[in-house]
Amino acid sequence: RKEVEQDPGPFNVPEGATVAFNCTYSNSASQSFFWYRQDCRKEPKLLMSVYSSGNEDGRFTAQLNRASQYISLLIRDSKLSDSATYLCVVKADGYNKLIFGAGTRLAVHP
Amino acid sequence: GAVVSQHPSRVICKSGTSVKIECRSLDFQATTMFWYRQFPKKSLMLMATSNEGSKATYEQGVEKDKFLINHASLTLSTLTVTSAHPEDSSFYICSASRETSGTLAKNIQYFGAGTRLSVL
Repeated sequence: RKEVEQDPGPFNVPEGATVAFNCTYSNSASQSFFWYRQDCRKEPKLLMSVYSSGNEDGRFTAQLNRASQYISLLIRDSKLSDSATYLCVVKADGYNKLIFGAGTRLAVHP
Repeated sequence: GAVVSQHPSRVICKSGTSVKIECRSLDFQATTMFWYRQFPKKSLMLMATSNEGSKATYEQGVEKDKFLINHASLTLSTLTVTSAHPEDSSFYICSASRETSGTLAKNIQYFGAGTRLSVL
């Protein structure tokens, strides 16, 4: 079983749509969680950290369910510029090592 | 602006040559840097953890003698792909861990722009 699993997609949605990505992780010792965004042939960039209480940054909302070892990312009012691959990332406590999911590809069309 | 600089961004070389990639933290000291590799449409795979002043820690299956890592200063780590072959063609990305203030965003990793290696 992969340490971090994501639905690879692609998710093809129209502008303005709401889209949700899911992620599960296997290591219950994981303590830090992130969503990164990666554009084609570019490096990953931090989109947002994920906190236990859930957190929102503009159109983006992240949720964490530790009991289910499940992380989600909700994007509201999708823009064309949101088209990218979204990477779910976890880190175990005491380690600096990030474990990446394979990513979920999002394509927003006019 | 960028906080981690990676150079070069693109390398095309002949089989059998060695290629060195540099990763620099621009305005902070990074005792730990990381080297990843990414194949097309695949996720990043950690190759090794580069520790300033000591030997790198390699992930299982990564050849130490093939991928030489040197972390000679707090702002620079280098990855050398020795005797490169076509199967080494990939996107190599480094990252550096930066402590941030507050309790909710510690140890964010910032990535270099990556190096696309093509071995002919």
